[in-house]
Amino acid sequence: EIVMTQTPLSSPVTLGQSASISCRSSQSLLHSDGNTYLSWLHQRPGQPPRPLIYKISNRFSGVPDRFSGSGAGTDFTLKISRVEDEDVGVYYCTQASQFPYTFGQGTKLEI
Amino acid sequence: EVHLVESGGGLVQPGGSLRLSCAASGFIFSNYPMNWVRQAPGKGLEWLSYIHHSVNVIHYADSVRGRFIISRDNAKNSLYLQMDSLRDEDTAVYYCARTWEGITNFDSWGQGTLVTVSS
Repeated sequence: EIVMTQTPLSSPVTLGQSASISCRSSQSLLHSDGNTYLSWLHQRPGQPPRPLIYKISNRFSGVPDRFSGSGAGTDFTLKISRVEDEDVGVYYCTQASQFPYTFGQGTKLEI
Repeated sequence: EVHLVESGGGLVQPGGSLRLSCAASGFIFSNYPMNWVRQAPGKGLEWLSYIHHSVNVIHYADSVRGRFIISRDNAKNSLYLQMDSLRDEDTAVYYCARTWEGITNFDSWGQGTLVTVSS
């Protein structure tokens, strides 16, 4: 099983400032098909998760360009520029390179 | 627009059974693998099971293998999770989530259904 480790687990930020979340996998997420299936999700309280980023750095439709993903292999980062009120909640990384699918523990973003 | 609606949650005693359903609409259900994911109160996300849309490929998390069974009915645009031998630690909100092959494991989520296992 691939273990996903996020840091920090809690991130207090100021509106308008940037936030960065790290996700590290216990083994490379590079799939045999050449893709790296690392995604990021955002969950607001009482809501289901919402997909933000897929394959490291690709934003889903409707996701503001304030959100950006980067990384390779086992180390990945989600950066949120110019944090807004609506960005509060918990962010999860998840991998689909190998079963079982696994998630990071979640990082709580607090204003 | 993709729409996933879970149902079937509720209160059940330890050792009991429950069957969850997920009704899908807004997309060609038979073209997409599907998953069940759960979230215990105040905890993170836990993937439970995957079922391919056409070939007989199913995967389970160790925590539910042998107790839960995933299935789907493409004609009814529905996904199911039969849960047996339920334990206190199975208490959670259960989500169905769609896989977009070649892109990501979870690109759409339902609102979830709450399962409470308690005597």
